[in-house]
Amino acid sequence: QVQLVQSGAEVKKPGASVKVSCKASGYTFTGYSLHWVRQAPGQGLEWMGRINPDSGYTKYAQKFQGRVTVTRDTSISTAYMDLTRLTSDDTVIYYCAREKPGATHAFDLWGQGTMVTVSS
Amino acid sequence: QSALTQPPSASGSPGQSVTISCTGTSSDVGDYDSVSWYRQLPGKAPKLMIYEVSERPSGVPDRFSGSKSGNTASLTVSGLQAEDEAAYYCSSYAGSNTWVFGGGTKLTVL
Repeated sequence: QVQLVQSGAEVKKPGASVKVSCKASGYTFTGYSLHWVRQAPGQGLEWMGRINPDSGYTKYAQKFQGRVTVTRDTSISTAYMDLTRLTSDDTVIYYCAREKPGATHAFDLWGQGTMVTVSS
Repeated sequence: QSALTQPPSASGSPGQSVTISCTGTSSDVGDYDSVSWYRQLPGKAPKLMIYEVSERPSGVPDRFSGSKSGNTASLTVSGLQAEDEAAYYCSSYAGSNTWVFGGGTKLTVL
């Protein structure tokens, strides 16, 4: 079954870091770029960054530069999103999404989402 | 990278057609035929409905269509059905390996 399965909900203190995982199955992990998108409760979607699992190349939205790091472990078909210096504004749902091949720039497969709560 | 502009809400009666707009700039929507649309039900992950402005993935009904003119893209839902009630988001490639999303439109079927 083609799917992306993310790690479970997290509760973090302000100033801490969080690492969310995204495990791919049912397709060749290194064949598709993976993106991270976040969504505040009841709000819109926000693109954070992407990784090419084959080369490891990453690109981040300017807003998150210096605070986000996306990595991957090809041996277990898993991508990770590490966000540091958390604030209450980071209390959102984080999604990983696969980029549809063929330079479509669209996301055809999504993880189920991971809720991160930042609270003292 | 500013968010694309969508109307917060749209509505229509069953059987009618509704069009949702998505306005960007000449650096994103206007520069690339890489606009996609997503439907999101409450508590669920987004689902791809349209890509490359007007292409439908396998399994998406042909009641859903997309278009683009200048810096504005549009999603049209024809023959509205109750199950079309959801939030719809547009997205565009913005160059230099970056993407931008719209703020979302809540579609209500009256």
